[in-house]
Amino acid sequence: SDLTQPASVSGSPGQSITISCSGSSHDVTAYNFVSWYQQYPGKAPKLIIYDVSRRPSGVSNRFSGSKSGNTASLTISGLQGEDEADYYCSAYRSSGTLLVFGGGTKVTVL
Amino acid sequence: QVQLQESGPGLVKPSETLSLTCLVSGASVNTDDNYWAWIRQPPGKGLEWIAYIHYSGSPNYNPSLKSRITTSIDTTRNEFSLNLTAVTPADTAIYYCARGKITAASRGWFDPWGQGTLVTVSS
Repeated sequence: SDLTQPASVSGSPGQSITISCSGSSHDVTAYNFVSWYQQYPGKAPKLIIYDVSRRPSGVSNRFSGSKSGNTASLTISGLQGEDEADYYCSAYRSSGTLLVFGGGTKVTVL
Repeated sequence: QVQLQESGPGLVKPSETLSLTCLVSGASVNTDDNYWAWIRQPPGKGLEWIAYIHYSGSPNYNPSLKSRITTSIDTTRNEFSLNLTAVTPADTAIYYCARGKITAASRGWFDPWGQGTLVTVSS
């Protein structure tokens, strides 16, 4: 994948976890156009963070996003069982492949 | 609220053309700040952006698929379509349509998504 994510992250209920998303000077570093999606098995992805740190209406404030250099991060605080899902980052590029995704991270709630 | 629904055959033979349509409700496909997208996901794998479509301009395609893609948008039916030619088993995937936004201050995200449709390429 064009963006690098850990394959899996786990945590206990109530804990905070962070998922990293590493890109390049062409995408994550260059623009504040990183988004994150949550996907349950058999379901379509759902937007949970856009423009690095903005939350769509209705998304829990337990989800937060940030960026430093070529790495974006999604933090889930107060981990709950319902947070067990796959999470994908994506980033915009100005040319070529305009939109790239990470390989996805499976979050497990212990 | 905005809803999208994909439709098309679930089985396509190798070397043939995959054709999908996405019906949009709750929004107009000919709104300036709405871009429409196709994204796919092979079973058990990650997401791949295929195309951005806008009613008034040239579409943008993933370079890896560009030679095999055509898209169209029908403002009267409020839907948009994807054709992928010369398919192989590697094109087997869940195909999603989605609404995107591209403005000076915000871009590169998709919301909402259709439920997705599984297309299998097999003889």
